[in-house]
Amino acid sequence: GQQVMQIPQYQHVQEGEDFTTYCNSSTTLSNIQWYKQRPGGHPVFLIQLVKSGEVKKQKRLTFQFGEAKKNSSLHITATQTTDVGTYFCAGKNSGGSNYKLTFGKGTLLTVNP
Amino acid sequence: DTAVSQTPKYLVTQMGNDKSIKCEQNLGHDTMYWYKQDSKKFLKIMFSYNNKELIINETVPNRFSPKSPDKAHLNLHINSLELGDSAVYFCASSHYLAGAYNEQFFGPGTRLTVL
Repeated sequence: GQQVMQIPQYQHVQEGEDFTTYCNSSTTLSNIQWYKQRPGGHPVFLIQLVKSGEVKKQKRLTFQFGEAKKNSSLHITATQTTDVGTYFCAGKNSGGSNYKLTFGKGTLLTVNP
Repeated sequence: DTAVSQTPKYLVTQMGNDKSIKCEQNLGHDTMYWYKQDSKKFLKIMFSYNNKELIINETVPNRFSPKSPDKAHLNLHINSLELGDSAVYFCASSHYLAGAYNEQFFGPGTRLTVL
C-alpha cells in the first residue's frame, strides 16, 4: 500500500533559525496537504499543493511539491516559539480513493527561545 | 461555534468494557472520518463515511464499529476494549468535490485510556 515517509522525526532549533521537514511518497500523489498539530491539540490544515513543481508561501512558511509529485517540503524561515508543534504531510494517491489521506509520521518541532 | 465536536473529551475505562465516542460537525460536509493517533503521534485512518455510506474501512479489528445516522454525525463504538486501544481518537470532516480542494477539519479528539 501507499507509504508516506517524513523526516526528520524531531527537530530542535533556536528561535530565529530555519526549519525544514521533508515528505516522500512511495507512489505518485494527486495532491499533498500539510497540517500542524500543537501539543495537546488537533491537526489543523495549513495548505494543499496540487500541481507538479508547485510552490506556495504563507508568511514565513514555504511549501513545495516535487516535479514528480512524489515528494514535498515545508520550510519555515526564522522560527518563532509559536511554530512549536508537529507538522504532518498527508497525500492522496493518484488514481486511488479521493477520500483517503495517508499521513506521514510527522516532524515534531521544538523551538528554544 | 465549534465546527467539529467530539464527546467525551476523556474516557477512562477497564479492559473488556464497551464504549462509544460521538462526533458531530456543523460545517455541512458530506464526508466524515475516524483517525487513531497512538502514543508516537502516528495518525492512522480507520473509517470514512460519505453521505452515510461507508467508503473507507481500513484494517481495524471488528470490535470497532462506526455508525453514521446522518451526514452530520459519525459515532464509533468499541467492544471488548483492550490495552492497545488506548490512544487519541480524532473525528474529521471534509466536503468532497471531484478534483477540488477538500481539506479535513479535525475535532478536538477523545483521549481513551484502557486500564
